[in-house]
Amino acid sequence: GEDVEQSLFLSVREGDSSVINCTYTDSSSTYLYWYKQEPGAGLQLLTYIFSNMDMKQDQRLTVLLNKKDKHLSLRIADTQTGDSAIYFCAEISGGYNKLIFGAGTRLAVHP
Amino acid sequence: DVKVTQSSRYLVKRTGEKVFLECVQDMDHENMFWYRQDPGLGLRLIYFSYDVKMKEKGDIPEGYSVSREKKERFSLILESASTNQTSMYLCATGTENQPQHFGDGTRLSIL
Repeated sequence: GEDVEQSLFLSVREGDSSVINCTYTDSSSTYLYWYKQEPGAGLQLLTYIFSNMDMKQDQRLTVLLNKKDKHLSLRIADTQTGDSAIYFCAEISGGYNKLIFGAGTRLAVHP
Repeated sequence: DVKVTQSSRYLVKRTGEKVFLECVQDMDHENMFWYRQDPGLGLRLIYFSYDVKMKEKGDIPEGYSVSREKKERFSLILESASTNQTSMYLCATGTENQPQHFGDGTRLSIL
């Protein structure tokens, strides 16, 4: 069945770039999403990319999509302590815009 | 701005109790979802609904039921709560080809 995989932890120094990687299996996904979850909160939509795009940039965020390898990445430039959170990759699977989520990558930003 | 409201942020119940978790949205979205979130497992879909009185099982429906009597309200019911249902529960809403929007979550503890 469909599956989305992410590494569980990433630690970066403040001011460096962070790259969070994700692989997915459903090649028919039309959209792929990145959500951010801060401690004790729900999920907040961070950005998304349509499947016919290779790249999307939004201020400090860059999303890269490699459809051939089914690989998605989120790059955060100039990472700040406020970026510390769990980041979830998700793909649409099936009807009713159901999502399949990865396990989430916990990003820790240290001085 | 989409608002998804979950009735409780924290809830403590006893084993064997019937538990109701409520979710209300203000955007007239057709689709509503209930997930549970556990460390290292990401979000897993319990049930979803695509219209009033319509429901579909997700990946882990056992021990749960749902009710959608009005379009804006989707309830998750734990028929007889057990300790392995201690978790964070997240409600989301969405419409076709649009990202899902999440509530702040309910952290449920079953003692």
